[in-house]
This record gives sequence, C-alpha cells and structure tokens, in this order.
Amino acid sequence: GDSVTQMEGPVTLSEEAFLTINCTYTATGYPSLFWYVQYPGEGLQLLLKATKADDKGSNKGFEATYRKETTSFHLEKGSVQVSDSAVYFCALSDKSSGGSNYKLTFGKGTLLTVNP
Amino acid sequence: DGGITQSPKYLFRKEGQNVTLSCEQNLNHDAMYWYRQDPGQGLRLIYYSQIVNDFQKGDIAEGYSVSREKKESFPLTVTSAQKNPTAFYLCASSMGLAGVNEQFFGPGTRLTVL
Repeated sequence: GDSVTQMEGPVTLSEEAFLTINCTYTATGYPSLFWYVQYPGEGLQLLLKATKADDKGSNKGFEATYRKETTSFHLEKGSVQVSDSAVYFCALSDKSSGGSNYKLTFGKGTLLTVNP
Repeated sequence: DGGITQSPKYLFRKEGQNVTLSCEQNLNHDAMYWYRQDPGQGLRLIYYSQIVNDFQKGDIAEGYSVSREKKESFPLTVTSAQKNPTAFYLCASSMGLAGVNEQFFGPGTRLTVL
C-alpha cells in the first residue's frame, strides 16, 4: 500500500537557519504530493503541492521538488522565522488499486521549533 | 467567509456514551472527510463521502458512524464500540476527490473520554 516516511522530529533551529525536512514515499501509481502545516491547536493548511515528476511547489519561501527517481519530496526553506514553528506533514494522494477513489496518506509529522 | 466549522472545540465523554461531532462547510465542496490525529501517528482516515447520501469507510472506521444528508454537513458519531476514542478529530473537504484537489481542514475537535 501507499506510505509516507518523514524525518523524525523534533527539529529545533535558530532564526534565519536553513531548513530541510525529508520526505520519501511509496505508491502504486503516479501520486500527487503535498506539504501541509499545522499551527498549535489548529487544523491543517496546505503549504504547497506538486502533481507530477520534476514539478516544484513553492509558497511563503518554502519549496519542494517532486523527485520520482528518488521517490522524495523534501521540504526546504532558506531562512526560517519564529512564526514557522509548527508541525509539518508530508502527504500523497494516489488512485486506489482497482478503483477511482483517491485519498490522502499522511506522514507522521515533524515538529519544527524556531528560536529567536 | 467560506470555510469549515467544527463544533464543539472540546468535548468530554463518559465511557459507554455515544457522542456526535459536527462538521459544516460552505465551500460548496462535494467531498468531505473525517480524520483522527494521535500524537506521533499523523492523520488516519475514518470515513469519507464523495456525494450526498454516499460514504465509504476509511482505514479506521470501526466504532464510528457518519451520515451525509446534506452537502454542507458530515457529522461523525463516536460510538461506545470505539475502544480508545480520546483523540483530536479533523474534518476536511475538497472540490472533488483528493487526487489533485486541495483538502481544506476545519479547526478540529478534541475529544476526551473520562
């Protein structure tokens, strides 16, 4: 079945540091890939997405490139801020075997804390 | 403002009781979803609905039930058969199924069994 593996957290950085959160996936088809962010006590918000190989999703200074050859979708940001402190989820959406249904499969999430 | 509302924000239940969590959306989305979030486990899909009067089980449907009588509403009932119901519950919706369509999430309901 489909699965998403994220780097274990928590990740603690100083403001203006470079961020990488690794994400790899397994899927039977050609999935779309997503990064969602969850701020404390809130629901999830879509951060960025990519729908085919070599696509780069970007938003709010975050970027991720869909690498089919390495089945990866690593999240990067060149200079983090205190306000980026949140839990980040990598997810994929793939057509279920034998059917037309799609669902999101999430990684376990990575807690990022950015200190001033 | 369009969006998804969930109520209540916090819910306490005694063992053996059924409780219903509300989810309403005014985004005119066809598809709606319920997820359960536990610490360190990410999100797991409970039920989803592609259209009114139709829904399918997700990965962890046992002990839960849903209905979809209106496009805007997708309530989740946590029954007494759910052995470990304490968790954070998130409702989401999307224009169609989640292939390339962004899922929009509500603020969540935290359920605690006393």
